[in-house]
Amino acid sequence: AQSVTQLDSHVSVSEGTPVLLRCNYSSSYSPSLFWYVQHPNKGLQLLLKYTSAATLVKGINGFEAEFKKSETSFHLTKPSAHMSDAAEYFCVVSPIAGKSTFGDGTTLTVKP
Amino acid sequence: GAGVSQSPRYKVTKRGQDVTLRCDPISSHATLYWYQQALGQGPEFLTYFNYEAQPDKSGLPSDRFSAERPEGSISTLTIQRTEQRDSAMYRCASSQSAGNTGELFFGEGSRLTVL
Repeated sequence: AQSVTQLDSHVSVSEGTPVLLRCNYSSSYSPSLFWYVQHPNKGLQLLLKYTSAATLVKGINGFEAEFKKSETSFHLTKPSAHMSDAAEYFCVVSPIAGKSTFGDGTTLTVKP
Repeated sequence: GAGVSQSPRYKVTKRGQDVTLRCDPISSHATLYWYQQALGQGPEFLTYFNYEAQPDKSGLPSDRFSAERPEGSISTLTIQRTEQRDSAMYRCASSQSAGNTGELFFGEGSRLTVL
């Protein structure tokens, strides 16, 4: 079985300051891990993915995430938040073909 | 098509009615997924198709829920005798293959409200 825990349901930052969205996972297999972003009234869009290659993964819009097996974490970071980053973010674990498990999401608010 | 298309975007129905939701995936994609997303939660897996085969329907909450993909392209999700607890966003996604490393491409979802 697999599970995903997003440790913060809401994160608020000021524009230009760093972003940290936390994700812990559990999986019986060596999983692939993803971050998706959802803007209001839009579908979910892939930000980045880890598939057992480099542990530091770079994604779109300046986001990156580091896979830490010893901590079973896959936290999402960005050095400097932009107003357009305000959205809901989902961490996803996919240990086996055909089945992905989503976290409950973190809503990011960016203050001017 | 160019992206994943779902219809209707919004559906309001009365308890006890049947509802059918439709998903048109990216044309080159073999695999299609259905998810249910309740308010304030992440999407939860319902079922998936690899072409027309349905290897896993373990996430369907009851036998009132069924899905089809008869020609390996467009899929429908049908909920019979709807109940208020079925109210949710239903999300369809497609991917090139069923492997666990592939990106999921999502449609904009169908929001179902059962009165």
